[in-house]
Amino acid sequence: DTEVTQTPKHLVMGMTNKKSLKCEQHMGHRAMYWYKQKAKKPPELMFVYSYEKLSINESVPSRFSPECPNSSLLNLHLHALQPEDSALYLCASSLGQGVQPQHFGDGTRLSIL
Amino acid sequence: LAKTTQPISMDSYEGQEVNITCSHNNIATNDYITWYQQFPSQGPRFIIQGYKTKVTNEVASLFIPADRKSSTLSLPRVSLSDTAVYYCLVGFDNYGQNFVFGPGTRLSVLP
Repeated sequence: DTEVTQTPKHLVMGMTNKKSLKCEQHMGHRAMYWYKQKAKKPPELMFVYSYEKLSINESVPSRFSPECPNSSLLNLHLHALQPEDSALYLCASSLGQGVQPQHFGDGTRLSIL
Repeated sequence: LAKTTQPISMDSYEGQEVNITCSHNNIATNDYITWYQQFPSQGPRFIIQGYKTKVTNEVASLFIPADRKSSTLSLPRVSLSDTAVYYCLVGFDNYGQNFVFGPGTRLSVLP
Protein backbone atom coordinates (compact mmCIF):
# COMPACT_ATOMS: atom_id res chain seq x y z
CA ASP A 1 0.00 0.00 0.00
CA THR A 2 1.22 3.48 -0.85
CA GLU A 3 1.34 6.31 1.70
CA VAL A 4 0.24 8.78 -0.96
CA THR A 5 -3.41 8.31 -1.91
CA GLN A 6 -4.76 9.42 -5.26
CA THR A 7 -8.41 9.53 -6.29
CA PRO A 8 -10.01 8.58 -8.54
CA LYS A 9 -7.97 5.66 -9.87
CA HIS A 10 -9.58 5.99 -13.28
CA LEU A 11 -11.30 8.94 -14.96
CA VAL A 12 -12.95 9.26 -18.35
CA MET A 13 -14.04 12.71 -19.41
CA GLY A 14 -15.09 14.64 -22.47
CA MET A 15 -13.18 17.61 -23.79
CA THR A 16 -15.72 20.07 -22.41
CA ASN A 17 -15.90 18.59 -18.91
CA LYS A 18 -14.42 19.96 -15.70
CA LYS A 19 -13.00 17.45 -13.25
CA SER A 20 -10.44 17.32 -10.45
CA LEU A 21 -7.78 14.88 -9.35
CA LYS A 22 -7.05 14.57 -5.66
CA CYS A 23 -3.89 13.60 -3.80
CA GLU A 24 -3.47 13.17 -0.06
CA GLN A 25 -0.55 12.36 2.24
CA HIS A 26 -0.27 12.29 6.01
CA MET A 27 3.47 11.88 6.38
CA GLY A 28 4.09 15.52 7.27
CA HIS A 29 5.78 16.14 3.93
CA ARG A 30 5.97 19.80 2.88
CA ALA A 31 6.70 19.32 -0.83
CA MET A 32 4.15 17.85 -3.23
CA TYR A 33 4.42 17.16 -6.94
CA TRP A 34 2.30 16.42 -10.01
CA TYR A 35 3.73 14.33 -12.84
CA LYS A 36 2.32 13.18 -16.16
CA GLN A 37 3.32 9.80 -17.55
CA LYS A 38 2.56 8.52 -21.04
CA ALA A 39 2.77 4.82 -21.84
CA LYS A 40 6.33 3.45 -21.89
CA LYS A 41 7.75 6.88 -21.06
CA PRO A 42 9.28 8.29 -17.86
CA PRO A 43 7.27 10.58 -15.59
CA GLU A 44 7.39 14.25 -16.60
CA LEU A 45 7.27 16.90 -13.91
CA MET A 46 4.33 19.31 -14.13
CA PHE A 47 4.14 21.23 -10.84
CA VAL A 48 5.89 21.45 -7.49
CA TYR A 49 4.42 22.88 -4.29
CA SER A 50 6.63 23.72 -1.37
CA TYR A 51 5.02 24.73 1.92
CA GLU A 52 1.70 25.08 0.11
CA LYS A 53 3.07 27.59 -2.40
CA LEU A 54 3.60 26.87 -6.08
CA SER A 55 7.32 26.57 -6.56
CA ILE A 56 7.70 25.15 -10.04
CA ASN A 57 5.41 25.20 -13.07
CA GLU A 58 7.04 23.37 -15.97
CA SER A 59 5.24 25.45 -18.62
CA VAL A 60 2.08 23.40 -18.27
CA PRO A 61 -0.97 24.54 -20.32
CA SER A 62 -3.53 26.53 -18.36
CA ARG A 63 -6.15 23.83 -18.84
CA PHE A 64 -4.33 22.16 -15.92
CA SER A 65 -4.73 24.13 -12.70
CA PRO A 66 -3.07 22.93 -9.49
CA GLU A 67 -4.21 23.77 -5.99
CA CYS A 68 -2.75 23.04 -2.57
CA PRO A 69 -5.46 23.77 0.06
CA ASN A 70 -3.29 22.55 2.94
CA SER A 71 -0.06 20.70 3.60
CA SER A 72 -1.69 17.28 3.21
CA LEU A 73 -3.78 17.83 0.11
CA LEU A 74 -3.02 18.53 -3.53
CA ASN A 75 -5.57 18.93 -6.30
CA LEU A 76 -5.28 19.13 -10.06
CA HIS A 77 -8.23 20.81 -11.73
CA LEU A 78 -8.88 19.84 -15.32
CA HIS A 79 -10.83 21.82 -17.91
CA ALA A 80 -11.13 21.62 -21.70
CA LEU A 81 -8.56 18.87 -22.01
CA GLN A 82 -7.39 17.46 -25.32
CA PRO A 83 -7.14 13.78 -26.32
CA GLU A 84 -3.33 14.01 -26.08
CA ASP A 85 -3.74 14.74 -22.36
CA SER A 86 -4.75 11.12 -21.80
CA ALA A 87 -2.09 9.69 -19.49
CA LEU A 88 -1.31 8.47 -15.99
CA TYR A 89 -1.15 11.40 -13.58
CA LEU A 90 1.09 10.77 -10.61
CA CYS A 91 1.28 12.66 -7.35
CA ALA A 92 4.34 12.53 -5.12
CA SER A 93 5.49 14.06 -1.86
CA SER A 94 8.77 14.50 -0.06
CA LEU A 95 9.92 15.82 3.27
CA GLY A 96 11.06 19.02 1.61
CA GLN A 97 11.87 20.30 -1.82
CA GLY A 98 15.42 19.10 -2.02
CA VAL A 99 17.48 16.02 -1.59
CA GLN A 100 14.99 13.58 -0.24
CA PRO A 101 13.34 10.60 -1.91
CA GLN A 102 9.86 11.22 -3.27
CA HIS A 103 6.92 9.01 -2.30
CA PHE A 104 4.59 8.38 -5.23
CA GLY A 105 0.93 7.49 -5.34
CA ASP A 106 -0.29 4.91 -7.84
CA GLY A 107 -1.77 7.55 -10.09
CA THR A 108 -5.01 8.42 -11.83
CA ARG A 109 -5.47 6.90 -15.29
CA LEU A 110 -7.10 9.70 -17.32
CA SER A 111 -8.80 9.16 -20.66
CA ILE A 112 -10.08 12.07 -22.74
CA LEU A 113 -12.81 11.26 -25.24
CA LEU B 1 19.29 19.86 -17.03
CA ALA B 2 21.41 16.73 -16.74
CA LYS B 3 20.44 14.52 -19.68
CA THR B 4 20.70 10.82 -18.91
CA THR B 5 20.86 7.68 -21.00
CA GLN B 6 20.11 4.12 -19.95
CA PRO B 7 19.79 0.79 -21.79
CA ILE B 8 16.23 0.38 -23.01
CA SER B 9 15.93 -3.18 -21.79
CA MET B 10 17.82 -5.98 -20.07
CA ASP B 11 17.14 -9.66 -19.47
CA SER B 12 18.40 -11.70 -16.55
CA TYR B 13 17.77 -14.99 -14.79
CA GLU B 14 16.67 -15.57 -11.26
CA GLY B 15 19.52 -15.55 -8.76
CA GLN B 16 21.86 -13.48 -10.91
CA GLU B 17 23.30 -10.08 -10.08
CA VAL B 18 22.05 -7.31 -12.39
CA ASN B 19 23.91 -4.08 -13.08
CA ILE B 20 22.13 -1.20 -14.80
CA THR B 21 24.22 1.79 -15.85
CA CYS B 22 23.03 5.37 -16.28
CA SER B 23 25.15 7.91 -18.15
CA HIS B 24 24.94 11.57 -17.15
CA ASN B 25 27.85 13.39 -18.76
CA ASN B 26 26.79 16.92 -17.80
CA ILE B 27 25.88 16.28 -14.17
CA ALA B 28 26.18 19.42 -12.04
CA THR B 29 28.19 19.75 -8.86
CA ASN B 30 25.13 19.82 -6.61
CA ASP B 31 23.24 17.02 -8.37
CA TYR B 32 22.42 13.75 -6.64
CA ILE B 33 21.66 10.44 -8.38
CA THR B 34 18.48 8.62 -7.42
CA TRP B 35 17.05 5.34 -8.70
CA TYR B 36 13.39 4.36 -8.74
CA GLN B 37 11.58 1.13 -9.58
CA GLN B 38 8.18 1.10 -11.27
CA PHE B 39 5.76 -1.79 -11.74
CA PRO B 40 2.86 -1.59 -14.22
CA SER B 41 -0.07 0.54 -12.99
CA GLN B 42 1.90 1.72 -9.95
CA GLY B 43 3.87 4.83 -9.09
CA PRO B 44 7.68 4.71 -8.94
CA ARG B 45 9.23 3.45 -5.70
CA PHE B 46 12.51 4.82 -4.32
CA ILE B 47 15.39 2.35 -4.36
CA ILE B 48 18.59 4.22 -3.53
CA GLN B 49 20.30 7.61 -3.72
CA GLY B 50 23.91 8.70 -3.77
CA TYR B 51 26.31 11.53 -4.52
CA LYS B 52 29.68 9.81 -4.94
CA THR B 53 31.56 6.52 -4.39
CA LYS B 54 29.34 3.69 -3.17
CA VAL B 55 26.06 3.47 -1.34
CA THR B 56 24.44 0.24 -0.16
CA ASN B 57 21.09 -0.50 1.43
CA GLU B 58 19.08 -3.65 2.04
CA VAL B 59 17.93 -4.00 -1.56
CA ALA B 60 20.62 -2.51 -3.82
CA SER B 61 24.01 -0.89 -4.23
CA LEU B 62 24.87 2.23 -6.16
CA PHE B 63 28.33 2.74 -7.61
CA ILE B 64 29.41 6.22 -8.69
CA PRO B 65 32.89 6.78 -10.17
CA ALA B 66 35.00 9.78 -9.22
CA ASP B 67 34.03 11.81 -12.30
CA ARG B 68 30.31 11.17 -11.55
CA LYS B 69 29.52 10.99 -15.27
CA SER B 70 27.79 7.65 -14.82
CA SER B 71 26.30 5.50 -12.10
CA THR B 72 25.52 1.80 -11.80
CA LEU B 73 22.61 0.30 -9.91
CA SER B 74 23.42 -3.22 -8.73
CA LEU B 75 20.64 -5.64 -7.75
CA PRO B 76 21.97 -8.78 -6.06
CA ARG B 77 20.34 -12.14 -6.75
CA VAL B 78 17.26 -10.93 -8.62
CA SER B 79 13.92 -12.74 -8.47
CA LEU B 80 10.91 -12.76 -10.80
CA SER B 81 9.36 -9.97 -8.71
CA ASP B 82 12.21 -7.64 -9.70
CA THR B 83 10.80 -7.48 -13.24
CA ALA B 84 10.05 -3.76 -13.59
CA VAL B 85 11.23 -0.50 -15.13
CA TYR B 86 14.18 1.17 -13.41
CA TYR B 87 14.63 4.91 -13.68
CA CYS B 88 17.73 6.97 -13.05
CA LEU B 89 17.01 10.51 -11.80
CA VAL B 90 19.72 13.14 -11.81
CA GLY B 91 19.70 16.76 -10.79
CA PHE B 92 17.69 16.64 -7.56
CA ASP B 93 19.83 19.37 -6.12
CA ASN B 94 19.51 21.26 -2.88
CA TYR B 95 16.85 23.50 -4.32
CA GLY B 96 14.79 20.65 -5.81
CA GLN B 97 14.78 22.15 -9.26
CA ASN B 98 15.89 20.94 -12.62
CA PHE B 99 15.46 17.21 -12.31
CA VAL B 100 14.55 14.84 -15.09
CA PHE B 101 13.91 11.12 -15.07
CA GLY B 102 16.04 9.01 -17.37
CA PRO B 103 14.31 7.04 -20.15
CA GLY B 104 14.12 3.94 -17.96
CA THR B 105 15.44 0.39 -18.30
CA ARG B 106 12.92 -2.42 -18.61
CA LEU B 107 14.33 -5.38 -16.68
CA SER B 108 12.89 -8.82 -17.36
CA VAL B 109 13.85 -11.58 -14.94
CA LEU B 110 13.38 -15.03 -16.37
CA PRO B 111 12.98 -18.30 -14.42
